[in-house]
Amino acid sequence: QSVLTQPPSVSAAPGQKVTISCSGSSSNIGNNYVSWYQQFPGTAPKLLIYENFKRPSGIPDRFSGSKSGTSGTLGITGLQTGDEADYYCGTWDRSLSAYVFGTGTKVTVL
Amino acid sequence: EVQVVESGGGLVQPGGSLRLSCAASGFTFSSYWMGWVRQAPGKGLEWVANIKQDGSEKYYVDSVKGRFTISRDNAKNSLYLQMNSLRAEDTAVYYCVVTAESGCLDYWGQGTLVTVSS
Repeated sequence: QSVLTQPPSVSAAPGQKVTISCSGSSSNIGNNYVSWYQQFPGTAPKLLIYENFKRPSGIPDRFSGSKSGTSGTLGITGLQTGDEADYYCGTWDRSLSAYVFGTGTKVTVL
Repeated sequence: EVQVVESGGGLVQPGGSLRLSCAASGFTFSSYWMGWVRQAPGKGLEWVANIKQDGSEKYYVDSVKGRFTISRDNAKNSLYLQMNSLRAEDTAVYYCVVTAESGCLDYWGQGTLVTVSS
């Protein structure tokens, strides 16, 4: 059972914006960086956002991250059909002494 | 170019054992925490374990404690996961991951499938 909660799915038309929330607690998001991962069907996940809002080299600025208190948010602007994938948040949980992932969110482009 | 390549997956009977390996290249292996993440068919991601640069610290998810052991050989740029007393619920694709200083999972291998079934 995941300790980080995400909406199961979000959708929008091409060119529009979606946001994905990741709700945690003081033992995880509240005291650690949030990361976001993108996973296409049948492939390995890829790091999308790290340290709450930073983007690895090669990740377009259409993807953004933020954190407030015990929640993180991933934003995708200018939505493209190629953005259809599953997105997971993740962070270290100091109470569990374990890395925890969110429940995952499927992004659909209408 | 950073590369991590898993091997050792396969079909094993319940109660059996399996050892996964991860060969790393393109970065200074001995300078990074390393770990394993798994994903059961049709399910989300689950972190399994990680290990400090020198092997002095190891952490595990509760469901594998006492059954799985993570280890590394810095001379061989390799990470391992010894899995004993395997259960049907351990069936998953297992990914080798490079952990950055900030704690994020920086690079992922392509995964190796472990199937526990009689």
